[in-house]
Amino acid sequence: GAGVSQTPSNKVTEKGKYVELRCDPISGHTALYWYRQSLGQGPEFLIYFQGTGAADDSGLPNDRFFAVRPEGSVSTLKIQRTERGDSAVYLCASSLTDSYNEQFFGPGTRLTVL
Amino acid sequence: KNEVEQSPQNLTAQEGEFITINCSYSVGISALHWLQQHPGGGIVSLFMLSSGKKKHGRLIATINIQEKHSSLHITASHPRDSAVYICAAKGSQGNLIFGKGTKLSVKP
Repeated sequence: GAGVSQTPSNKVTEKGKYVELRCDPISGHTALYWYRQSLGQGPEFLIYFQGTGAADDSGLPNDRFFAVRPEGSVSTLKIQRTERGDSAVYLCASSLTDSYNEQFFGPGTRLTVL
Repeated sequence: KNEVEQSPQNLTAQEGEFITINCSYSVGISALHWLQQHPGGGIVSLFMLSSGKKKHGRLIATINIQEKHSSLHITASHPRDSAVYICAAKGSQGNLIFGKGTKLSVKP
């Protein structure tokens, strides 16, 4: 596929559970971004990877949130002890390098915490 | 005050009308994105610009760096243009700072 893909498209979980959300960026894109969009709001930045390393994780709301990109391609966003307030659409985007390239967005994962 | 402000928040237009959506930002940016989001969540990048003006079909985006202001124009609007349009400022690290979006509804 040519675009950014995210799995699952929908995830329903119970409060307190652990979830993992996956992002497959466009092949060759070294920069990868995670954003979160709550209902009726614009997306908010969570974390940015350049290659395998997190270049900026200042948007992660607390230590229940963690993301990895071990081989510089696929990234996984991990949320521990989920809370109802974590319910949102989690968006992933990738770009060819970093600041100076257009970002391409995945379709998002809609997370619902009951 | 949000770092990226859009106006209007909601916009209803008749088919064929010329539409303008405005974006003001207070942060230093390397570029500014205009994005389109349809119901169901998919985000599509319309433009990325750092100066001047870009045009694609019926869409035109302009930016004034000195005034920290950008506009998105849609000429000859059509019901299929109905979507949420989001302005996003790209900071030095590359992450985007988003406006809250403008919900556009074009009536036939």
